[in-house]
Amino acid sequence: DAGVIQSPRHEVTEMGQEVTLRCKPISGHDYLFWYRQTMMRGLELLIYFNNNVPIDDSGMPEDRFSAKMPNASFSTLKIQPSEPRDSAVYFCASSSTSPKGEQFFGPGTRLTVL
Amino acid sequence: DQQVKQNSPSLSVQEGRISILNCDYTNSMFDYFLWYKKYPAEGPTFLISISSIKDKNEDGRFTVFLNKSAKHLSLHIVPSQPGDSAVYFCAASAETSYDKVIFGPGTSLSVIP
Repeated sequence: DAGVIQSPRHEVTEMGQEVTLRCKPISGHDYLFWYRQTMMRGLELLIYFNNNVPIDDSGMPEDRFSAKMPNASFSTLKIQPSEPRDSAVYFCASSSTSPKGEQFFGPGTRLTVL
Repeated sequence: DQQVKQNSPSLSVQEGRISILNCDYTNSMFDYFLWYKKYPAEGPTFLISISSIKDKNEDGRFTVFLNKSAKHLSLHIVPSQPGDSAVYFCAASAETSYDKVIFGPGTSLSVIP
């Protein structure tokens, strides 16, 4: 079974451009999480979904960030407009319904905003 | 303010010796704790967990100890192997929302052959 799939793996863009990160969770998983990893703040939870519904977006840093999950097999994280301080590795993870379920992470998207 | 802290950014250990990675938390509502391991260019992978009703959980070479009164947990790796070289994240969650896992900043472990 394929794990969590993220695309692109690397993204370099210029300040002010729109960036869209994509994620395909593991089939059958009910939860999907978006994280951001930086040297300063470590691994931060941005937003998570349960059954395609956003549950908690308190970690989304600004209105420039938005996330959608139109169906059980696809989610996007969009940054518009992007800024250099958004440069980080963005991870998507998914897990099953069971409480305390182990989260399975994708390989991440390394975003560089020039 | 970080709720899960890993005060050692890095740690070096000789192969065959014990590695001890430490983690402190501030939120007394946390009652479930996890350790994840991350290799470069890969996502974190789950390693071991412990519930607050226990003070120790063991899985092969990996043991996690929990001291609730001190709000402290540690991960012991015995014996350490070069393949254990990775970043280790401590994480915690609370009964009110086990889905929401709070991660620490990570400790980079280097096991020297």
